[in-house]
Amino acid sequence: GQQLNQSPQSMFIQEGEDVSMNCTSSSIFNTWLWYKQDPGEGPVLLIALYKAGELTSNGRLTAQFGITRKDSFLNISASIPSDVGIYFCAGQPNANAGNMLTFGGGTRLMVKP
Amino acid sequence: DTGVSQNPRHKITKRGQNVTFRCDPISEHNRLYWYRQTLGQGPEFLTYFQNEAQLEKSRLLSDRFSAERPKGSFSTLEIQRTEQGDSAMYLCASPQGYNEQFFGPGTRLTVL
Repeated sequence: GQQLNQSPQSMFIQEGEDVSMNCTSSSIFNTWLWYKQDPGEGPVLLIALYKAGELTSNGRLTAQFGITRKDSFLNISASIPSDVGIYFCAGQPNANAGNMLTFGGGTRLMVKP
Repeated sequence: DTGVSQNPRHKITKRGQNVTFRCDPISEHNRLYWYRQTLGQGPEFLTYFQNEAQLEKSRLLSDRFSAERPKGSFSTLEIQRTEQGDSAMYLCASPQGYNEQFFGPGTRLTVL
């Protein structure tokens, strides 16, 4: 089963609002990745984080690798309708895990124009 | 476009039939991953290859599933005697850099 707890499960916000979502784990992760998935498509990589405490931005998106290595956060500023989709966090548990990813359950974002 | 292609995009089959999916990864990358995603869930790891060698298999990969990567380039995933519980999106991923996995569009399997 999946080891990552992602919250909230869904969000319905007004266009222009900021969005925050997070992912927590009971175990340490060495890498955190954030993906966005549209219906019927594969996940698209948004941001990759490799160091505890790291804060990385990609346009209106900002993600942070938690100091404890057990959590990560994604913020979207000034949301727009095309931000609609499902956002997934993913982590690599340890350096010897073959780099396979463990995914959270996703946060469904809905934006009202 | 991530450079990872998958075929077919959709497959509808009857229970008990065999199906095969193909993944063409980003060229010149020696690792290739397969994941399965059921409705409302995140992707779950199935198996991965380093060149043509299959190095890790998840407990999700029952003996009805087999994956190959004969020449270290494209990969196939076969499901024998399909069951309704096999209905899912099957995703292939190819890495760039250290661990930035890029996914294909997926193959959606529906077992009737």
